[in-house]
Amino acid sequence: AQKVTQAQTEISVVEKEDVTLDCVYETRDTTYYLFWYKQPPSGELVFLIRRNSFDEQNEISGRYSWNFQKSTSSFNFTITASQVVDSAVYFCALSRYNTDKLIFGTGTRLQVFP
Amino acid sequence: DTEVTQTPKHLVMGMTNKKSLKCEQHMGHRAMYWYKQKAKKPPELMFVYSYEKLSINESVPSRFSPECPNSSLLNLHLHALQPEDSALYLCASSQDPTSGEMADTQYFGPGTRLTVL
Repeated sequence: AQKVTQAQTEISVVEKEDVTLDCVYETRDTTYYLFWYKQPPSGELVFLIRRNSFDEQNEISGRYSWNFQKSTSSFNFTITASQVVDSAVYFCALSRYNTDKLIFGTGTRLQVFP
Repeated sequence: DTEVTQTPKHLVMGMTNKKSLKCEQHMGHRAMYWYKQKAKKPPELMFVYSYEKLSINESVPSRFSPECPNSSLLNLHLHALQPEDSALYLCASSQDPTSGEMADTQYFGPGTRLTVL
């Protein structure tokens, strides 16, 4: 069975703080894909990153970084020097090889206060 | 340009009305999706069209009827909805569902907020 767990329901930080959003997944597949999406209050799901199971390199994109660890089945997302515009719900998702289905976690609501 | 557009942005309808949601993409993507999202929940997959053919129906009630007139357009026809169908309806598209090499990234539209009275 495939499952994605985002244990943090809501996180509040003050601007300029660093924050890490946790994502733990379960799958028996050897080939799979992991995603992070951002959903601001406007509602649109914004794609942030895709990672396949064979690529454990961490990635940095500006203030965003992702830590993929197969040994712990985790794909955590860190925002450095958070800004008010980072306030949103963040979803981690899992997809099996050659399928169209995204299995979403329950999401983490991040609130960044000025 | 990763843009998926959806109209209308908001829709209020009675239980006896018939309405349609529209989704459009001009990225040359060959797969299109409808999701339903209730408040404080993740999106739930409803339908998938692959090369203009319905490939997945997640046991959605028949009061929701999808249509894919061409590779750029996706409609969702609504009839005799219930108040519990009120939700954000999201459309998404991805490049090539038959690539077989890697799951294609789904790009989402802004959604239609539907209220059923």
